[in-house]
Amino acid sequence: DAGVIQSPRHEVTEMGQEVTLRCKPISGHDYLFWYRQTMMRGLELLIYFNNNVPIDDSGMPEDRFSAKMPNASFSTLKIQPSEPRDSAVYFCASSLARGVEGDTQYFGPGTRLTVL
Amino acid sequence: LAKTTQPISMDSYEGQEVNITCSHNNIATNDYITWYQQFPSQGPRFIIQGYKTKVTNEVASLFIPADRKSSTLSLPRVSLSDTAVYYCLLDTGRRALTFGSGTRLQVQP
Repeated sequence: DAGVIQSPRHEVTEMGQEVTLRCKPISGHDYLFWYRQTMMRGLELLIYFNNNVPIDDSGMPEDRFSAKMPNASFSTLKIQPSEPRDSAVYFCASSLARGVEGDTQYFGPGTRLTVL
Repeated sequence: LAKTTQPISMDSYEGQEVNITCSHNNIATNDYITWYQQFPSQGPRFIIQGYKTKVTNEVASLFIPADRKSSTLSLPRVSLSDTAVYYCLLDTGRRALTFGSGTRLQVQP
């Protein structure tokens, strides 16, 4: 498997623009997570899905952020409108249901977002 | 929420064994102790997980005393490529992992 795939790897946009980040989890994984990492706040969980259903979105900063998972192989994180303080690296991760590997999460390479 | 405490940074030299200790005084009965590694410009990567005593894999060893209030990640004979941030987490089974600030390990030649 190619691992968790994220696109784009880098995104530069202007304040007020809509930004869409994409993620393809590892095939067969039941859980998908979106994280954000900044120097100030570290790595924060934004939202996670189980079998395409959002389970916990308490980490989503505000209404400008939304996430969807229309099927088991694709998820998006959208920011509309974007603001400079949204600049960060956004990671997607996936995991199997608890079992032999427990809750091990496999992270993608991340999307570095810069909002000017 | 159960929380972990670990040193902010550590320095070592190539070939040395590195031990990073993590405190988790409020660990719950069902919690697993998990360590992740993060290189610059990459996502975190799972290293090892344990519940009690000792766990060893091809990358590291994890030592957990009987009271489970702390754990020690041991990296044998580190190399420059082991320079990274190491996170100690408690896997509560709730799926949501809480990453602290981690330990920044710098390996010198």
